[in-house]
Amino acid sequence: ELKVEQNPLFLSMQEGKNYTIYCNYSTTSDRLYWYRQDPGKSLESLFVLLSNGAVKQEGRLMASLDTKARLSTLHITAAVHDLSATYFCAVVPNTGNQFYFGTGTSLTVIP
Amino acid sequence: DAGITQSPRYKITETGRQVTLMCHQTWSHSYMFWYRQDLGHGLRLIYYSAAADITDKGEVPDGYVVSRSKTENFPLTLESATRSQTSVYFCASSDPGLVAGELFFGEGSRLTVL
Repeated sequence: ELKVEQNPLFLSMQEGKNYTIYCNYSTTSDRLYWYRQDPGKSLESLFVLLSNGAVKQEGRLMASLDTKARLSTLHITAAVHDLSATYFCAVVPNTGNQFYFGTGTSLTVIP
Repeated sequence: DAGITQSPRYKITETGRQVTLMCHQTWSHSYMFWYRQDLGHGLRLIYYSAAADITDKGEVPDGYVVSRSKTENFPLTLESATRSQTSVYFCASSDPGLVAGELFFGEGSRLTVL
């Protein structure tokens, strides 16, 4: 059974602090995606990581992929309240085109 | 409107009734997916389709039926709704032939089964 595990599941952090969300998966994959979901809303694509060592940055968020370790990280730098949301990683196995999602990390940034 | 649209956005029904959730995309993406989202479970794949007339089961297909007679439409039917099917349902599409191949989501359909 393919597993995608995110941790932490819940994260409360103060504005200005740094933190990292981890996404571990159990299959061979070169395709990993990060999504953001605001309460009551749909999922919005944040990052697309398509190879080992891929790194993408957008504002205070940076995502990376290590396919050998089957690990992706989402690093938050100097958090601001607007980053409060739930973040999901999703993996696509090399053998197919289905997207498997982690359980999500609910981030709350406290002023 | 361009994109992926779901209807209805909100639905309340009773146990045993048949319900169909509609999904329409304008990108001509080959793949379409149905997920359900429940607290503590993240998103779980119900069914997906690689092309018109090709569908396959995901992780939690029991109690659901899908069809895809046209590339742009992918309806999800609950043949006899149960309370455990109360959830938010998301339709999504992707095209693996594109460089990014990412998944694009509809706005979701919130279903309550009484």
